[in-house]
Amino acid sequence: DAGITQSPRHKVTETGTPVTLRCHQTENHRYMYWYRQDPGHGLRLIHYSYGVKDTDKGEVSDGYSVSRSKTEDFLLTLESATSSQTSVYFCAISESWAGRNEQFFGPGTRLTVL
Amino acid sequence: TQLLEQSPQFLSIQEGENLTVYCNSSSVFSSLQWYRQEPGEGPVLLVTVVTGGEVKKLKRLTFQFGDARKDSSLHITAAQPGDTGLYLCAGAAGGGADGLTFGKGTHLIIQP
Repeated sequence: DAGITQSPRHKVTETGTPVTLRCHQTENHRYMYWYRQDPGHGLRLIHYSYGVKDTDKGEVSDGYSVSRSKTEDFLLTLESATSSQTSVYFCAISESWAGRNEQFFGPGTRLTVL
Repeated sequence: TQLLEQSPQFLSIQEGENLTVYCNSSSVFSSLQWYRQEPGEGPVLLVTVVTGGEVKKLKRLTFQFGDARKDSSLHITAAQPGDTGLYLCAGAAGGGADGLTFGKGTHLIIQP
C-alpha cells in the first residue's frame, strides 16, 4: 500500500471556523491531489500540486486553499467552513508516466460542519 | 468539462452470477482507471487501461477499454460476496498529471 496518511480522520466543527486538513506521503511522489466525495456527485477534484509550491485549482476549488511547502505534505484549508463543505475528503498521490496518471488514495477525512 | 457516465448505479445479484459495469463518455481519455472502495476507506486502484481495445484480467474481473478510448467496461464472472463494494471508473485527460474525472460509481452487492 502507498504510504499516505491523512489527519485528522474525523472532525466536527462549526460554521465560520477555519479548518486545515493534512496529507502526508512517504512515497516521494511528485503529484498530490485533494478530492471531496459526496453522495450523488462522486469524487470531485478540489486542488492539486505538481511540485513544491506549485498548485492549481480543480473543479470545486471555491472556499478552499492549499499549500505545499515540502514534497511529503499537502495541506487543505477551509478559511471559513460552511455546511456545504461537510464531506469526506481524500488525498491522492501520483507519479504520472506515459499518460497513465495512476493515483493512490489516502484513508480519508470525514468533516462535519455544523 | 469531461464527464464519465457509469451504469448501473446500483446492482444486487446472487453469488455465482455474472455482471457488467459500464463507463461511458463523449471525451477521449489517455488512460482509464478502475477503483474499488469499501465503506470508510479510500479508493483502491484495481487496474489501468491505456491502449484502445485493451483487455486486462484480474482473476475473475475483466476490464476493457473501448477502441476510441471513450468508454470502458468491467465484467465480473461468478461473483462472490467478497466482490461487494463501490466500483469507480476514472479517466485521465492527458499525459500530464491533472486530476482524474470520476464516474459516480456502481454500488455492487453480492448476496450469498
